[in-house]
Formats: sequence, structure tokens, C-alpha cells
Amino acid sequence: KAGVTQTPRYLIKTRGQQVTLSCSPISGHRSVSWYQQTPGQGLQFLFEYFSETQRNKGNFPGRFSGRQFSNSRSEMNVSTLELGDSALYLCASSLTSGSAEQFFGPGTRLTVL
Amino acid sequence: DQQVKQNSPSLSVQEGRISILNCDYTNSMFDYFLWYKKYPAEGPTFLISISSIKDKNEDGRFTVFLNKSAKHLSLHIVPSQPGDSAVYFCAASAYGNTGKLIFGQGTTLQVKP
Repeated sequence: KAGVTQTPRYLIKTRGQQVTLSCSPISGHRSVSWYQQTPGQGLQFLFEYFSETQRNKGNFPGRFSGRQFSNSRSEMNVSTLELGDSALYLCASSLTSGSAEQFFGPGTRLTVL
Repeated sequence: DQQVKQNSPSLSVQEGRISILNCDYTNSMFDYFLWYKKYPAEGPTFLISISSIKDKNEDGRFTVFLNKSAKHLSLHIVPSQPGDSAVYFCAASAYGNTGKLIFGQGTTLQVKP
């Protein structure tokens, strides 16, 4: 069974731009969560989607948003990029919203210049 | 507010010996705990988990112990192998909030041949 895939793997943007990251969960998994990993803050929860609905949201500004499609694929968007948004963005999928065991993709490395 | 803490940033052990990684938490609502292993440039890989109704869970060389009264869990790896060298994260989730994992800062394990 294929794992979680994320595209693109690497991205370079400049301040003020916006970016969209994509995540395809493991086949059959319906819940997708997003995390940001930085050296200073570690792994921090962004949001969770299940059945195209946001179930949970972390403490990030409104510039960070996401959505989920009917095939469970998910996208996250960051608008008006800031230097501090440079990070590894990780997507994780699980079978249902009530399943804590999440399986992570390789991440998208975003660099904001 | 660091709800999940891994107080040892690094640990070095000899091949064949036991590795013990520790994790403390503060939120008494956490009822499910997980350990992940992470290599550079990859997403975290799920290792083992434990529910708060148990105090021990074993999977091959990996055993997780949970002490609810002390709000402490540990991961034992026996015997340790050089391929175990990676960053280990503990994570926790609360009942009804399983899609949101709270991660510790990670412990870098080095297993020397």
C-alpha cells in the first residue's frame, strides 16, 4: 500500500507570496492532519480534516488555511508568506478522525526568502 | 506551554545495550501516547503506542511504559542497533481530540557499533 505522498518536496518563495501544498493520504484513510516543524518550535499541529470538514485547528494565524476534497486528498495554503514560515510541513493520515495513530508523509520543505 | 517534554536532547548507547528514552507530560486529559522515529529529510515513522488504560505495550525490540500517576512514559529499545540512530519523538493526544498530536521536542539517539 502506498504511503502518504506530499508535493512538492521542496519550494522556495519570497516574502508576501502565497503557497499551496498538497497531500494524498494512504488509500482508505479519511483523516488528514498537518504539522509544521521548525528547529525552534519543534512539531506543531496546524489543523485536521475529516470528511472535508476541519475538525481541529492549532494556534496559527489565519494566513494558514486548508481544505480536504471528497477523495480525502488535502491541501494547505499559506498566504502573505513571512520569513518565519520557512519550515518542514508534514501531512499525516489516519483511518478515521478517532484514530490517533497517524502516518506521516516525507514533508514539503518551504524556504521563504 | 510545553505539554509534552523530552528533557534529554540526546542519548548515546553502545550497540546491543538498552536505550531508554523518556517523556513527561502535564495535561491529564491525554489518554493516548505514541512514539515516532525520524530520520533527516523524512517524515516521522510511527513506532509504538499505548493507551492510558495500559501501563505497558511491547512490539519486538520496542517497549513503551506508561506511569500515569507520574505523568511519565518511556521507550525501551532492546537490543539497540546502529540503525536505530535517529530522532525520537513522543506524542500525546486527548480523548475527543485524537487528530491533534502534541509532540515533545525530540531526543537524538546515537547507537555506537
